Amino acid sequence: AQTVTQSQPEMSVQEAETVTLSCTYDTSESDYYLFWYKQPPSRQMILVIRQEAYKQQNATENRFSVNFQKAAKSFSLKISDSQLGDAAMYFCAYRSAQTGTASKLTFGTGTRLQVTL
Amino acid sequence: DGGITQSPKYLFRKEGQNVTLSCEQNLNHDAMYWYRQDPGQGLRLIYYSQIVNDFQKGDIAEGYSVSREKKESFPLTVTSAQKNPTAFYLCASRAGAGEQYFGPGTRLTVT
Repeated sequence: AQTVTQSQPEMSVQEAETVTLSCTYDTSESDYYLFWYKQPPSRQMILVIRQEAYKQQNATENRFSVNFQKAAKSFSLKISDSQLGDAAMYFCAYRSAQTGTASKLTFGTGTRLQVTL
Repeated sequence: DGGITQSPKYLFRKEGQNVTLSCEQNLNHDAMYWYRQDPGQGLRLIYYSQIVNDFQKGDIAEGYSVSREKKESFPLTVTSAQKNPTAFYLCASRAGAGEQYFGPGTRLTVT
């Protein structure tokens, strides 16, 4: 079974600064997807970024980028130029690419990000 | 607008009562999922359905039941057999090999 670990329960960053959230995972599969979801105080889960394991290039979405280290099974999220609206819980998630797995997501326990002025 | 709706946003029940949480989507997605979220924990999968009239247990299905009679709807019943039903419940749907999109959630409190 796959597991996802987020070892930072809380992080803090000043507005306009850069912060990196860590995520490690354990799997015996070679093909899979990794995601970062954001959950603001409204508790709506919002997809931030997605990485396909077979792609070596790190995914980027505007101010959000990942550092995907497949051999180390590490998947960190970097938020640049942090904004007050980035304050939220961030969840790392894993999804197998194998058929028959129904695209189920396995989540980490989350990192609460505070953004200060 | 296309999306996923969950109702109600807050739900209160007495211990021993069954309660049904609604999840409706108009995205024409085949697959639907139910997750439970507790403080300090990530989301855990309760049940999922890949097609109408078919569903499978997730990691924590005990004390829950579902039905999938229509593509648009995937209601979750929390039965009296669920020992710790108070939690935040999230419904999601997915089209093909695409991403899961989540509803706004229902906060269930059982006293």
